[in-house]
Amino acid sequence: EVQLVESGGGLVQPGGSLRLSCAASGFTFSDHYMDWVRQAPGKGLEWVGRVRNKPNGLGTEYAASVKGRFTISRDDSASSLYLQMNSLKTEDTAVYYCTRVFGTAWSTHHLDYWGQGALVTVSS
Amino acid sequence: DIQLTQSPSFQSASVGDRVTITCRASQGISSYLAWYQQKSGKGPKLLIYAASSLQSGVPPRFSGSGSGTEFTLTISSLQPEDFATYYCQQLNSYPLTFGGGTKVEIK
Repeated sequence: EVQLVESGGGLVQPGGSLRLSCAASGFTFSDHYMDWVRQAPGKGLEWVGRVRNKPNGLGTEYAASVKGRFTISRDDSASSLYLQMNSLKTEDTAVYYCTRVFGTAWSTHHLDYWGQGALVTVSS
Repeated sequence: DIQLTQSPSFQSASVGDRVTITCRASQGISSYLAWYQQKSGKGPKLLIYAASSLQSGVPPRFSGSGSGTEFTLTISSLQPEDFATYYCQQLNSYPLTFGGGTKVEIK
């Protein structure tokens, strides 16, 4: 059974940093691209970014709203995904979801598994 | 960036109703579109990928159609467990984007 479990959420002051982790199990983690998606309270879904797998160079993509402040990384030996968030703003307050990308071809980039989410609150 | 406009934002419907949700893209995205269902307090669930392919385990009352800039999600006969919010997502180019969502409520 595929499982994605986020951890590391919490309360942080504006300008601060926080690192989210996502523990994956039930599939060959190293085969898949992985994404982060967030949802502000009472709002819709916002794609945050992606890390590709090693055969595709471990490259990353980011939404403009987080580029330069957030960094996505992965540790295939630990089947784990990370989101390092720096220079946090109040508008970064959201539930952050770890998601698995089904395949590597463009036609297969849908997000087929989602975690339960981790709440990040940015407030003074 | 590609913008996705969903309509309606809210849909009031009864059990057994046919429900159709539209997603329009600001530029052509071929068939690179997915639909997700989100229930209150839970992470989203994939329903449809590649515009019209049903994800494994999803009931066949859900269907998707369209290509280019206009897409639809149809629920042929609404069931009590289908009351939720539905989102489309374009997978054509970065940054990936979601529609604003359609909340399907009990009439």
